[in-house]
Amino acid sequence: QKEVEQNSGPLSVPEGAIASLNCTYSDRGSQSFFWYRQYSGKSPELIMFIYSNGDKEDGRFTAQLNKASQYVSLLIRDSQPSDSATYLCAVNQPGYGGATNKLIFGTGTLLAVQP
Amino acid sequence: DGGITQSPKYLFRKEGQNVTLSCEQNLNHDAMYWYRQDPGQGLRLIYYSQIVNDFQKGDIAEGYSVSREKKESFPLTVTSAQKNPTAFYLCASGFGRGIYNSPLHFGNGTRLTVT
Repeated sequence: QKEVEQNSGPLSVPEGAIASLNCTYSDRGSQSFFWYRQYSGKSPELIMFIYSNGDKEDGRFTAQLNKASQYVSLLIRDSQPSDSATYLCAVNQPGYGGATNKLIFGTGTLLAVQP
Repeated sequence: DGGITQSPKYLFRKEGQNVTLSCEQNLNHDAMYWYRQDPGQGLRLIYYSQIVNDFQKGDIAEGYSVSREKKESFPLTVTSAQKNPTAFYLCASGFGRGIYNSPLHFGNGTRLTVT
């Protein structure tokens, strides 16, 4: 089982629709969850992070976390063509005993927003 | 402006040569990380470091080496022992420790091509 799993897509949505991106993780000790957006040929940029169960909203983006189900999702409302990119889910792998944390990434979901 | 600087942006080398990728940060972050990304793939962790003169192997450390002589700098050497070195290399930094890991900030990446 992969540590962080995402559907590779492509996920195609029409402009103005809600895009829903999903991610599951295997380490129950993980406490920090991140969504990064990566345009082709560029480095990842942080969109959202979430630590607590429930929803966290920032503009058109909502991150949802369910630790019991080990599931985190990202909703993008009013999707725009400029949102077309690969979305990477990243999960903190705790550094037990004071060791350094690691961030484990999924393989990403390619989102295509059709004008 | 605070940030992470990777250089060079593009690097071309002949097979059998060692090559060193530079990464410098002025964010006062304790932890620094090297990831590798192959086309259509997620990020895979090569090495990471929490403090000066200490670093740990990630998931794919074979054929790579690092040093951490200064807090701000974390260079990565791709040795001739790395079987498939052509990839996009990303350096990142963050605060590293604690249950609630801070987000990682990424440099712009170095695209290495070995022929």
